[in-house]
Amino acid sequence: GEDVEQSLFLSVREGDSSVINCTYTDSSSTYLYWYKQEPGAGLQLLTYIFSNMDMKQDQRLTVLLNKKDKHLSLRIADTQTGDSAIYFCAGADSWGKLQFGAGTQVVVTP
Amino acid sequence: DAGVIQSPRHEVTEMGQEVTLRCKPISGHDYLFWYRQTMMRGLELLIYFNNNVPIDDSGMPEDRFSAKMPNASFSTLKIQPSEPRDSAVYFCASSSTSGGVNEQFFGPGTRLTVL
Repeated sequence: GEDVEQSLFLSVREGDSSVINCTYTDSSSTYLYWYKQEPGAGLQLLTYIFSNMDMKQDQRLTVLLNKKDKHLSLRIADTQTGDSAIYFCAGADSWGKLQFGAGTQVVVTP
Repeated sequence: DAGVIQSPRHEVTEMGQEVTLRCKPISGHDYLFWYRQTMMRGLELLIYFNNNVPIDDSGMPEDRFSAKMPNASFSTLKIQPSEPRDSAVYFCASSSTSGGVNEQFFGPGTRLTVL
C-alpha cells in the first residue's frame, strides 16, 4: 500500500514562506492532497494536484509535484499566524483509500 | 449543510466500560470513514463503508472494536470493553464518489479518555 512520509515540525516567521515536503511510494494516485488540521478540529482539504501536473497555484499556496522522485511539496507564501496547524499530505492507494502522512506541525512566530 | 456531525465531542470512561461513538455523514455522501488519531501512531484508518456496506475493516485493532452503518445517515463505532490504550481522538469522515477528487469531509472528532 501507499507509504507517505513527511517531516514532523516546521517553524517559520510571520511573513516568510513555508515549505512542507512529502514523499510517497505509490505512483498510481490520480490525485495527491494536502489537508490542514487546526487545533481541536478535524482535517480539512486545503488543496490537491492532479498527478499529471507539475505545479498548481492557488492564491498563497503552491503545490509542486515531482513524479520521478515521488516528491510533493506545499509552499505557503506570506505565512500568517492563522497558518499555524498540522499539515498532512495524502495519496490514494490502488484501492482508492487515502493514505495520510504523519503530519507536519507548522508553528508561525511573530 | 451542517457538515459531518459526531457525538459526543468528549467521552471519559473507566476501563472495561462500553463506549459508543456516533456519526452523521453529509447527506448524499456514499463513503464513510472512521479514523483514530494519537500522538504515537498518527492518523489511522479503522474502517470504511460504501453505501452502508463495510468495505475494509483491516484497520480495526481488535475484536473489541466494531462499527455499523444501519442507514445512509448514521454510523456507530463501539468499543467493548474499553482499555486505557484506546484513548485517542476518533474522527468520522464522509465523501462522495462523484467528481473524481476524493475529498473527505471530517467531523470535529470525539476525544475519548479511558481511565
